[in-house]
Amino acid sequence: EVQLQQSGPEVGRPGSSVKISCKASGYTFTDYVMNWVKQSPGQGLEWIGWIDPEYGSTDYAEKFKKKATLTADTSSSTAYIQLSSLTSEDTATYFCARSGAPFDYWGQGVMVTVSS
Amino acid sequence: EIVLTQSPTTIAASPGEKVTITCRASSSVSYMYWYQQKSGASPKLWIYDTSKLASGVPNRFSGSGSGTSYSLTINTMETEDAATYYCQQWSSTPLTFGSGTKLEIK
Repeated sequence: EVQLQQSGPEVGRPGSSVKISCKASGYTFTDYVMNWVKQSPGQGLEWIGWIDPEYGSTDYAEKFKKKATLTADTSSSTAYIQLSSLTSEDTATYFCARSGAPFDYWGQGVMVTVSS
Repeated sequence: EIVLTQSPTTIAASPGEKVTITCRASSSVSYMYWYQQKSGASPKLWIYDTSKLASGVPNRFSGSGSGTSYSLTINTMETEDAATYYCQQWSSTPLTFGSGTKLEIK
């Protein structure tokens, strides 16, 4: 059974960074791209970017290029997103989602709250 | 960037009623994907490659369209279908989602 297990909720101070994990199981981690999606409170879905775990190659939406860094550890089948220079605009739920083409499996989401 | 415009933003339907949600793309896309999201839960893949139902999706759902105009239809609304539905395009990066259609039961 494919599962994407994300880490727990995070609280970050303005200007700091947080790093969220997404541990994959039930499939070969390097066979699929991992995407990250942001959902602000009460809002829709925004694609942040993806990482190809096999090669480490990444692609980001323009607005997230200076905000997010995607990495992957093939030894633990875990993908990561680091969010830097946190502001109130980063308060949101962040999902990882596996894709071949569509996003067929999603993590449970991680709530990131930016608060002083 | 391909912008996806969904309509309506919100719709209320009675059980047994037919429901159609549309998604218009600012440029032509090859396929459309649809996700269902219920409150407090992760989105679920619902329809892929425009018209194929994801595993476990009831056959009262269907998808259609081409080019810049796509739709998701529920033949007979059921209470469990109340959710927010998002369209998504994969034809070019950045991948984009529609703003969502909230479907409520009347």
